[in-house]
Amino acid sequence: DVKVTQSSRYLVKRTGEKVFLECVQDMDHENMFWYRQDPGLGLRLIYFSYDVKMKEKGDIPEGYSVSREKKERFSLILESASTNQTSMYLCASSTPQGGRNTEAFFGQGTRLTVV
Amino acid sequence: AQTVTQSQPEMSVQEAETVTLSCTYDTSESDYYLFWYKQPPSRQMILVIRQEAYKQQNATENRFSVNFQKAAKSFSLKISDSQLGDAAMYFCAYRNNAGKSTFGDGTTLTVKP
Repeated sequence: DVKVTQSSRYLVKRTGEKVFLECVQDMDHENMFWYRQDPGLGLRLIYFSYDVKMKEKGDIPEGYSVSREKKERFSLILESASTNQTSMYLCASSTPQGGRNTEAFFGQGTRLTVV
Repeated sequence: AQTVTQSQPEMSVQEAETVTLSCTYDTSESDYYLFWYKQPPSRQMILVIRQEAYKQQNATENRFSVNFQKAAKSFSLKISDSQLGDAAMYFCAYRNNAGKSTFGDGTTLTVKP
């Protein structure tokens, strides 16, 4: 089974802290994604990566950065956490179009609270 | 840019009955994938069903089936013989050829015993 693992299920950080959310997948997927989920807003794409060291901005990249030094790991970084970044964060991975498994596989989510 | 609209924030169904969740999308592309995901209280997103846009036949997975109307850009999910374990938030998603997915806002499904 494909497994996408996020380092924390719950996280509480202080305003201004630098926050790292880690995501690891074990299926050698090229694509990895970070989403933010808020009530009534569905899932919004923050950043995605098609390959190691490659990244592209999603719909709401402001206040975030990412790092992908290894194929299996995709990190989301909040440079200076703010209260409006309190949310659920979901990591996902997938194979490129044309592969058998075209859907995204998700981690269990990290609920981040910034106080 | 693609958009995905789920017009029903909440739906409820009696156990063993059938319910249909609506989804419409907007795109200028001809080749894409559509998905329904389920997110139970555990928060783990689970794939329910997928549909390739080039396939005319509607996808079916056990009690779950879709009504894919490509010209109308509509992709509804039908759940037959609803079970208590079907209670969750359901997301409709569009995936383009570049692998980027766009999600709807979700529909919360309640199953009444």
